[in-house]
Amino acid sequence: DTAVSQTPKYLVTQMGNDKSIKCEQNLGHDTMYWYKQDSKKFLKIMFSYNNKELIINETVPNRFSPKSPDKAHLNLHINSLELGDSAVYFCASSQGDRHHYGYTFGSGTRLTVV
Amino acid sequence: QQQVKQSPQSLIVQKGGISIINCAYENTAFDYFPWYQQFPGKGPALLIAIRPDVSEKKEGRFTISFNKSAKQFSLHIMDSQPGDSATYFCAASKGSNYQLIWGAGTKLIIKP
Repeated sequence: DTAVSQTPKYLVTQMGNDKSIKCEQNLGHDTMYWYKQDSKKFLKIMFSYNNKELIINETVPNRFSPKSPDKAHLNLHINSLELGDSAVYFCASSQGDRHHYGYTFGSGTRLTVV
Repeated sequence: QQQVKQSPQSLIVQKGGISIINCAYENTAFDYFPWYQQFPGKGPALLIAIRPDVSEKKEGRFTISFNKSAKQFSLHIMDSQPGDSATYFCAASKGSNYQLIWGAGTKLIIKP
């Protein structure tokens, strides 16, 4: 009964490839996020969607493209993968700006580019 | 002004001791200060949060102390246990802004 599920959990791929990470939440939340966590554990927000509308679009390479087909799904597509893209990518969700309920994170997708 | 500075980077505490992690911020418009706990291989999970109208919030062994004038807040873990070993993140946000501003994280190790 996973609240925020990401697939795949691990992704090893060669430079130059294109890959996608999928995320689904069953909490009924209206806002979803993609975060990147580097090797030093620093969390960097990449994108956020509220009711399928892009509301946060941080400075990330345009090789990264989010897509939200509906409120419960937020996918991340990455073109022309580079070595520096290796990191753990987390999907998260929240109910609008009701911060007291916090963000619910998925377990992450560890991307390794070789 | 958007930063949240977290210290220490890592912390080792004996079982039964008190673990203290500190955060400082500059933006006085911040009005929500959560702490997240992250175990290896998992995503961060909300641990406890505070708003600036109170100076302290306690949930079990976890307490947030908030000093509005100093623009600082801290997490205290009483009677620390090996199961508390994790990375802890402080964060802050303002108003209806969906974006949390995160601290850099503290790796806490509790020695048996």
